Amino acid sequence: EPEVTQTPSHQVTQMGQEVILRCVPISNHLYFYWYRQILGQKVEFLVSFYNNEISEKSEIFDDQFSVERPDGSNFTLKIRSTKLEDSAMYFCASSEWRGTRNEQFFGPGTRLTVL
Amino acid sequence: AQKITQTQPGMFVQEKEAVTLDCTYDTSDQSYGLFWYKQPSSGEMIFLIYQGSYDEQNATEGRYSLNFQKARKSANLVISASQLGDSAMYFCAMKPGTASKLTFGTGTRLQVTL
Repeated sequence: EPEVTQTPSHQVTQMGQEVILRCVPISNHLYFYWYRQILGQKVEFLVSFYNNEISEKSEIFDDQFSVERPDGSNFTLKIRSTKLEDSAMYFCASSEWRGTRNEQFFGPGTRLTVL
Repeated sequence: AQKITQTQPGMFVQEKEAVTLDCTYDTSDQSYGLFWYKQPSSGEMIFLIYQGSYDEQNATEGRYSLNFQKARKSANLVISASQLGDSAMYFCAMKPGTASKLTFGTGTRLQVTL
């Protein structure tokens, strides 16, 4: 069964460093998302992406964040200068379409630890 | 703005019993979708069940069913015949028809006991 994959599973970085989190969405899906979950808290939406453009973003997704689809399969989230409060689990998700009933399939997540 | 409320931080249920996890929502949209996800201790998010705001029947997926009461704005998840493998965090989420993002509740941790 097709699934969303994410690499790395765990990333440790120093405050101020840039990190790139990678995702491979399900191959026939057209809509891509990033969410984050700070330890013990709820899952929060960061950004959605369609047709090589950001379609929606939250207030969390500030200038330190960017997303890219560098080729036909990968979808990346870049944090330019990490802060301690960026430590969280980051989930990539994809969906086939955007309607109300768009099941978003989540990847296993990347745990980011900022020291 | 959308809001999801899950008032049960933790629940216990005995194996083979049924359990209901509560979820209420608030939205001004007429068209929206309601979702439940399971998050085991390994961390991944697993889609369980979907209910559309215009669906007249309650959704069912195997042992999962959604008790949808639109007037009360509630979308409770019912798990029948609980199994030890059902022990996990359960999140209720909503997506209005006009937006792409899911809004999640704070989750309920379910523990299935022998």
